[in-house]
Amino acid sequence: EAQVTQNPRYLITVTGKKLTVTCSQNMNHEYMSWYRQDPGLGLRQIYYSMNVEVTDKGDVPEGYKVSRKEKRNFPLILESPSPNQTSLYFCASLPTSGGADTQYFGPGTRLTVL
Amino acid sequence: GENVEQHPSTLSVQEGDSAVIKCTYSDSASNYFPWYKQELGKGPQLIIDIRSNVGEKKDQRIAVTLNKTAKHFSLHITETQPEDSAVYFCAASPHTDKLIFGTGTRLQVFP
Repeated sequence: EAQVTQNPRYLITVTGKKLTVTCSQNMNHEYMSWYRQDPGLGLRQIYYSMNVEVTDKGDVPEGYKVSRKEKRNFPLILESPSPNQTSLYFCASLPTSGGADTQYFGPGTRLTVL
Repeated sequence: GENVEQHPSTLSVQEGDSAVIKCTYSDSASNYFPWYKQELGKGPQLIIDIRSNVGEKKDQRIAVTLNKTAKHFSLHITETQPEDSAVYFCAASPHTDKLIFGTGTRLQVFP
């Protein structure tokens, strides 16, 4: 089954404790992206990757890092989480890098930073 | 900067009635406009999309209209059913691989 998976689905942590949210897709998609969803703000792009070893900042990249060592995986790293990073995070992938068609979203990771 | 406004933020309708959600975008270069449905505990799923060379597209009970001159696009759901209850997001693509999302509309369909 074609899908985007994220782990963990729920995470409660404390300020400053490094964490990683994993994202994996089994569709051989070149393009992957991370979004955060906050009430009243919709989805905002954090980082995206056009292909392996190619990453770029989205609209709200501060406080986040990403890496793309393999095509299928695109982890989101919070080196020193802060309470304002409490949010619902979505990973997404796209079949090609040639157009913003049909992004496939993962199920989401709800992060709480105390 | 690039912006997509979405209204209303909440919408309640009786089962069988129609629902309309409207979006306005700022970047005239946008040429792709998808709509996503997000059910509780799930990620957004594409339900319909439209490109700038088309004014209207329909898929069963769902239709999308686009007015490029006014930079408006709308989602129309007819004969609503309780399972249509969800949060709906519009988005606009100002350039390749970029999507700007609206702020979402929570639709509730009452039996």
